[in-house]
Amino acid sequence: GAVVSQHPSWVICKSGTSVKIECRSLDFQATTMFWYRQFPKQSLMLMATSNEGSKATYEQGVEKDKFLINHASLTLSTLTVTSAHPEDSSFYICSASTIAGGGHGQFFGPGTRLTVL
Amino acid sequence: DAKTTQPPSMDCAEGRAANLPCNHSTISGNEYVYWYRQIHSQGPQYIIHGLKNNETNEMASLIITEDRKSSTLILPHATLRDTAVYYCIARPLNDYKLSFGAGTTVTVRA
Repeated sequence: GAVVSQHPSWVICKSGTSVKIECRSLDFQATTMFWYRQFPKQSLMLMATSNEGSKATYEQGVEKDKFLINHASLTLSTLTVTSAHPEDSSFYICSASTIAGGGHGQFFGPGTRLTVL
Repeated sequence: DAKTTQPPSMDCAEGRAANLPCNHSTISGNEYVYWYRQIHSQGPQYIIHGLKNNETNEMASLIITEDRKSSTLILPHATLRDTAVYYCIARPLNDYKLSFGAGTTVTVRA
């Protein structure tokens, strides 16, 4: 089956530093990748939609200058949280879509837990 | 995407069937019903989807009412590992952008 990985699985950083999270589709090429954020005891909230080779589309209320998304290839998208602050501490999840996904076409990564001190 | 409504929580006994309801009264003709689940601190996992016919796979069955305004996900023999938050989402087939609601927290008890 289609596999999506994320790296790192968890990260702790100091306030003011930047953190990069990678999302990779391991055995398929993803036409689109999505980034979600999930705070404790809340549901997933879509942050942005990322297409290879083009600028990401951000959801309303998500700061594009703070959450930089790069989608350089059909198998890799990165999310950089710039100048992270404690309120950015969250569980970040990516997903990758492919028309070859057996009908549902959407595969999620295992998530990255970010803690900003 | 059509709005979906699910009960916030439910318990079920291990080994018994778990029936999870979902209301989607404003679903459009081109929208499928998708079910995902999220086990604690993991990414969501696809379970099943359907348009109007009932569907079954190795994980679950999906029963969609004839008017398509509601559906039920059935886990035939719940195990402790089925404890998770279950999300019902209505979306067109080729629109992979998902809007997650609050879902149903299912707790399977021994």
